[in-house]
Amino acid sequence: GAVVSQHPSRVICKSGTSVKIECRSLDFQATTMFWYRQFPKKSLMLMATSNEGSKATYEQGVEKDKFLINHASLTLSTLTVTSAHPEDSSFYICSARKGTSGYEQYFGPGTRLTVT
Amino acid sequence: AQSVTQLDSQVPVFEEAPVELRCNYSSSVSVYLFWYVQYPNQGLQLLLKYLSGSTLVKGINGFEAEFNKSQTSFHLRKPSVHISDTAEYFCAVTTTSGTYKYIFGTGTRLKVLA
Repeated sequence: GAVVSQHPSRVICKSGTSVKIECRSLDFQATTMFWYRQFPKKSLMLMATSNEGSKATYEQGVEKDKFLINHASLTLSTLTVTSAHPEDSSFYICSARKGTSGYEQYFGPGTRLTVT
Repeated sequence: AQSVTQLDSQVPVFEEAPVELRCNYSSSVSVYLFWYVQYPNQGLQLLLKYLSGSTLVKGINGFEAEFNKSQTSFHLRKPSVHISDTAEYFCAVTTTSGTYKYIFGTGTRLKVLA
């Protein structure tokens, strides 16, 4: 199988605080993980590509100082939303790719972030 | 660069009727194509994918899609829908080499009516 988990599934935080979302590949090693953001009734927007042991590659328009990505091991990538504001409220989905090559991404169940 | 167009934002259909969800893509290089389903507050579930070979691809839950290179389309079909098929459906494309970034369409909300 190829199972990807995310934690937490839902989080509510106050404006100005930071929140961390974890993405884990449970039964495979993932050199590359991806982070997406999904606005209500909208498509998935790729935020960044996370590579184990190196800096993430951010898509144009995504603030790297606000959305900190760490891919410290072959099974874990984290997204930290720093100084969160209500406009950061969204559904965040991660995906992982097996090994060092290949096209297929395996998606996590998503994390609903609400900033009050 | 690649792009994906899902022209229908919503498709209402009666239970047991057939349905087709349209997807068109644009790319100057070879691509792989995917259809995903998303239920409320959940992640994406792969329905089917086209990599190469037969242009008719069968997936889970009775869905199938046909790759048409000349029309750059990858429409999703099901001959008889159920209430439980009500969900959001996304078409996606990635290149056959390189970074393998996925580009998603804007989604089609399938609403199955009793």
